[in-house]
Amino acid sequence: DVKVTQSSRYLVKRTGEKVFLECVQDMDHENMFWYRQDPGLGLRLIYFSYDVKMKEKGDIPEGYSVSREKKERFSLILESASTNQTSMYLCASSYPQLYNEQFFGPGTRLTVL
Amino acid sequence: AQSVTQLGSHVSVSEGALVLLRCNYSSSVPPYLFWYVQYPNQGLQLLLKYTTGATLVKGINGFEAEFKKSETSFHLTKPSAHMSDAAEYFCAVSDSSYKLIFGSGTRLLVRP
Repeated sequence: DVKVTQSSRYLVKRTGEKVFLECVQDMDHENMFWYRQDPGLGLRLIYFSYDVKMKEKGDIPEGYSVSREKKERFSLILESASTNQTSMYLCASSYPQLYNEQFFGPGTRLTVL
Repeated sequence: AQSVTQLGSHVSVSEGALVLLRCNYSSSVPPYLFWYVQYPNQGLQLLLKYTTGATLVKGINGFEAEFKKSETSFHLTKPSAHMSDAAEYFCAVSDSSYKLIFGSGTRLLVRP
Protein backbone atom coordinates (compact mmCIF):
# COMPACT_ATOMS: atom_id res chain seq x y z
CA ASP A 1 0.00 0.00 0.00
CA VAL A 2 1.28 3.43 -0.96
CA LYS A 3 1.77 5.63 2.00
CA VAL A 4 2.20 9.38 2.07
CA THR A 5 2.64 10.81 5.52
CA GLN A 6 2.67 14.39 6.70
CA SER A 7 4.44 15.51 9.83
CA SER A 8 1.45 17.13 11.55
CA ARG A 9 -2.34 16.91 11.23
CA TYR A 10 -2.90 20.23 12.99
CA LEU A 11 -0.51 23.14 13.46
CA VAL A 12 -0.96 26.56 15.05
CA LYS A 13 1.66 29.23 14.41
CA ARG A 14 2.02 32.95 14.92
CA THR A 15 2.37 35.60 12.23
CA GLY A 16 5.98 35.98 11.13
CA GLU A 17 7.10 32.52 12.23
CA LYS A 18 8.99 30.24 9.86
CA VAL A 19 6.95 27.09 9.33
CA PHE A 20 8.09 23.72 8.01
CA LEU A 21 5.66 21.12 6.68
CA GLU A 22 7.18 17.73 6.00
CA CYS A 23 5.97 15.03 3.63
CA VAL A 24 7.36 11.52 3.21
CA GLN A 25 6.36 8.86 0.68
CA ASP A 26 7.39 5.22 0.68
CA MET A 27 6.76 4.25 -2.96
CA ASP A 28 9.91 5.59 -4.60
CA HIS A 29 7.85 8.11 -6.59
CA GLU A 30 9.75 10.63 -8.66
CA ASN A 31 7.07 13.34 -8.50
CA MET A 32 5.94 15.08 -5.36
CA PHE A 33 3.48 17.94 -4.95
CA TRP A 34 2.29 20.48 -2.42
CA TYR A 35 -1.27 21.84 -2.64
CA ARG A 36 -3.35 24.11 -0.53
CA GLN A 37 -7.07 23.52 -0.21
CA ASP A 38 -9.54 26.28 0.56
CA PRO A 39 -13.35 26.06 0.54
CA GLY A 40 -14.80 26.76 -2.90
CA LEU A 41 -11.39 26.92 -4.53
CA GLY A 42 -10.53 23.24 -4.74
CA LEU A 43 -6.86 22.33 -4.69
CA ARG A 44 -4.27 24.78 -5.90
CA LEU A 45 -0.73 23.70 -6.66
CA ILE A 46 1.98 25.52 -4.74
CA TYR A 47 5.10 23.68 -5.90
CA PHE A 48 6.04 20.39 -7.38
CA SER A 49 9.25 18.41 -7.71
CA TYR A 50 10.10 15.85 -10.37
CA ASP A 51 13.44 14.76 -8.94
CA VAL A 52 15.75 15.33 -6.02
CA LYS A 53 16.76 18.98 -5.83
CA MET A 54 14.47 19.81 -8.76
CA LYS A 55 11.39 21.96 -8.29
CA GLU A 56 8.89 23.95 -10.26
CA LYS A 57 6.52 26.68 -9.20
CA GLY A 58 2.87 25.91 -9.30
CA ASP A 59 -0.02 28.32 -9.46
CA ILE A 60 0.43 30.04 -6.10
CA PRO A 61 4.11 29.91 -5.04
CA GLU A 62 4.29 33.36 -3.44
CA GLY A 63 5.25 33.21 0.22
CA TYR A 64 6.36 29.58 0.00
CA SER A 65 9.53 27.67 -0.78
CA VAL A 66 10.32 23.95 -0.96
CA SER A 67 13.17 21.57 -0.39
CA ARG A 68 13.78 18.09 -1.72
CA GLU A 69 17.11 16.71 -0.55
CA LYS A 70 16.04 13.05 -0.64
CA LYS A 71 13.71 11.32 -3.05
CA GLU A 72 11.20 10.30 -0.40
CA ARG A 73 10.94 13.65 1.38
CA PHE A 74 9.47 16.96 0.20
CA SER A 75 9.27 19.93 2.54
CA LEU A 76 7.15 23.05 2.27
CA ILE A 77 8.46 26.16 3.97
CA LEU A 78 6.53 29.27 4.88
CA GLU A 79 9.31 31.82 5.28
CA SER A 80 7.22 34.25 7.31
CA ALA A 81 3.76 32.94 8.04
CA SER A 82 0.81 35.25 7.49
CA THR A 83 -2.85 34.90 8.41
CA ASN A 84 -3.83 34.44 4.75
CA GLN A 85 -1.80 31.23 4.74
CA THR A 86 -4.24 29.63 7.14
CA SER A 87 -5.39 26.63 5.12
CA MET A 88 -5.32 22.87 4.63
CA TYR A 89 -2.06 21.72 3.04
CA LEU A 90 -1.96 18.46 1.12
CA CYS A 91 1.09 16.59 -0.11
CA ALA A 92 0.95 14.07 -2.94
CA SER A 93 3.29 11.84 -4.92
CA SER A 94 3.18 9.93 -8.19
CA TYR A 95 5.16 8.13 -10.85
CA PRO A 96 6.16 10.35 -13.77
CA GLN A 97 3.62 9.17 -16.34
CA LEU A 98 0.67 11.35 -17.23
CA TYR A 99 -1.84 8.60 -16.63
CA ASN A 100 -0.60 7.86 -13.13
CA GLU A 101 -2.73 9.03 -10.27
CA GLN A 102 -1.38 11.04 -7.40
CA PHE A 103 -1.43 9.57 -3.91
CA PHE A 104 -2.27 12.00 -1.15
CA GLY A 105 -1.30 12.38 2.46
CA PRO A 106 -3.90 13.10 5.17
CA GLY A 107 -3.26 16.85 5.14
CA THR A 108 -2.05 19.44 7.62
CA ARG A 109 -4.50 22.02 8.83
CA LEU A 110 -2.43 25.12 9.52
CA THR A 111 -3.77 28.05 11.48
CA VAL A 112 -1.74 31.26 11.57
CA LEU A 113 -2.73 33.65 14.36
CA ALA B 1 -4.53 25.30 -21.03
CA GLN B 2 -6.52 22.62 -19.31
CA SER B 3 -9.35 23.46 -16.94
CA VAL B 4 -12.08 21.62 -15.05
CA THR B 5 -15.57 22.81 -14.15
CA GLN B 6 -17.72 21.02 -11.61
CA LEU B 7 -21.35 22.11 -11.70
CA GLY B 8 -22.84 22.46 -8.26
CA SER B 9 -20.78 23.03 -5.16
CA HIS B 10 -23.34 21.04 -3.17
CA VAL B 11 -25.53 18.14 -4.25
CA SER B 12 -28.11 16.59 -1.94
CA VAL B 13 -29.72 13.20 -2.56
CA SER B 14 -31.81 10.77 -0.55
CA GLU B 15 -30.34 7.47 0.52
CA GLY B 16 -30.98 4.97 -2.29
CA ALA B 17 -31.32 7.65 -4.98
CA LEU B 18 -29.12 8.10 -8.03
CA VAL B 19 -25.98 10.14 -7.55
CA LEU B 20 -24.87 12.33 -10.46
CA LEU B 21 -21.91 14.68 -10.09
CA ARG B 22 -21.04 16.72 -13.15
CA CYS B 23 -17.60 17.46 -14.54
CA ASN B 24 -16.65 19.24 -17.75
CA TYR B 25 -13.10 19.77 -18.86
CA SER B 26 -11.17 21.61 -21.49
CA SER B 27 -8.00 20.18 -22.88
CA SER B 28 -5.97 20.72 -26.02
CA VAL B 29 -4.66 17.16 -25.90
CA PRO B 30 -6.36 13.82 -25.26
CA PRO B 31 -7.10 14.01 -21.57
CA TYR B 32 -6.42 11.74 -18.67
CA LEU B 33 -9.29 12.24 -16.25
CA PHE B 34 -9.68 11.42 -12.58
CA TRP B 35 -12.26 11.48 -9.83
CA TYR B 36 -11.10 11.72 -6.25
CA VAL B 37 -13.09 11.57 -3.01
CA GLN B 38 -12.25 13.30 0.25
CA TYR B 39 -13.89 12.14 3.46
CA PRO B 40 -13.92 14.55 6.41
CA ASN B 41 -10.46 15.28 7.82
CA GLN B 42 -8.74 13.03 5.33
CA GLY B 43 -6.64 13.36 2.20
CA LEU B 44 -7.91 12.60 -1.29
CA GLN B 45 -8.47 9.04 -2.43
CA LEU B 46 -8.72 7.95 -6.06
CA LEU B 47 -12.20 6.75 -7.08
CA LEU B 48 -11.49 6.05 -10.74
CA LYS B 49 -9.59 7.27 -13.76
CA TYR B 50 -9.87 7.35 -17.52
CA THR B 51 -6.74 6.94 -19.61
CA THR B 52 -7.58 5.28 -22.93
CA GLY B 53 -9.90 2.57 -24.21
CA ALA B 54 -13.34 1.93 -22.76
CA THR B 55 -15.15 5.16 -22.11
CA LEU B 56 -17.21 3.80 -19.21
CA VAL B 57 -14.91 3.48 -16.23
CA LYS B 58 -15.78 1.63 -13.05
CA GLY B 59 -14.29 2.63 -9.75
CA ILE B 60 -14.44 1.77 -6.10
CA ASN B 61 -17.58 1.80 -3.92
CA GLY B 62 -19.93 1.31 -6.89
CA PHE B 63 -19.07 4.56 -8.67
CA GLU B 64 -18.59 4.86 -12.39
CA ALA B 65 -17.93 7.65 -14.88
CA GLU B 66 -18.34 7.99 -18.61
CA PHE B 67 -15.89 9.88 -20.81
CA LYS B 68 -17.78 11.72 -23.55
CA LYS B 69 -15.36 13.43 -25.87
CA SER B 70 -18.03 15.22 -27.89
CA GLU B 71 -19.43 16.79 -24.72
CA THR B 72 -16.03 17.20 -22.99
CA SER B 73 -17.62 15.63 -19.94
CA PHE B 74 -16.69 13.04 -17.35
CA HIS B 75 -19.72 12.82 -15.04
CA LEU B 76 -19.64 10.58 -11.98
CA THR B 77 -22.61 8.36 -11.15
CA LYS B 78 -23.72 5.80 -8.62
CA PRO B 79 -27.09 4.04 -8.94
CA SER B 80 -27.95 4.07 -5.25
CA ALA B 81 -26.52 6.48 -2.69
CA HIS B 82 -25.42 5.28 0.71
CA MET B 83 -24.94 7.39 3.81
CA SER B 84 -21.24 6.57 3.70
CA ASP B 85 -20.95 8.32 0.31
CA ALA B 86 -21.27 11.72 1.98
CA ALA B 87 -17.97 13.42 1.15
CA GLU B 88 -16.41 15.96 -1.18
CA TYR B 89 -15.67 14.87 -4.73
CA PHE B 90 -13.07 16.34 -7.04
CA CYS B 91 -12.70 15.93 -10.77
CA ALA B 92 -9.22 16.45 -12.25
CA VAL B 93 -7.46 16.43 -15.60
CA SER B 94 -3.79 15.69 -16.11
CA ASP B 95 -1.84 18.26 -18.06
CA SER B 96 1.25 17.68 -20.12
CA SER B 97 3.65 18.37 -17.25
CA TYR B 98 2.40 15.71 -14.84
CA LYS B 99 0.33 18.16 -12.85
CA LEU B 100 -3.33 17.63 -12.04
CA ILE B 101 -5.79 20.44 -12.63
CA PHE B 102 -8.62 20.12 -10.13
CA GLY B 103 -12.16 21.34 -10.19
CA SER B 104 -13.49 23.28 -7.22
CA GLY B 105 -15.18 20.23 -5.76
CA THR B 106 -18.76 19.07 -5.09
CA ARG B 107 -19.93 18.24 -1.61
CA LEU B 108 -22.37 15.33 -1.63
CA LEU B 109 -24.97 15.25 1.13
CA VAL B 110 -26.99 12.07 1.62
CA ARG B 111 -30.33 12.41 3.41
CA PRO B 112 -31.70 9.44 5.36
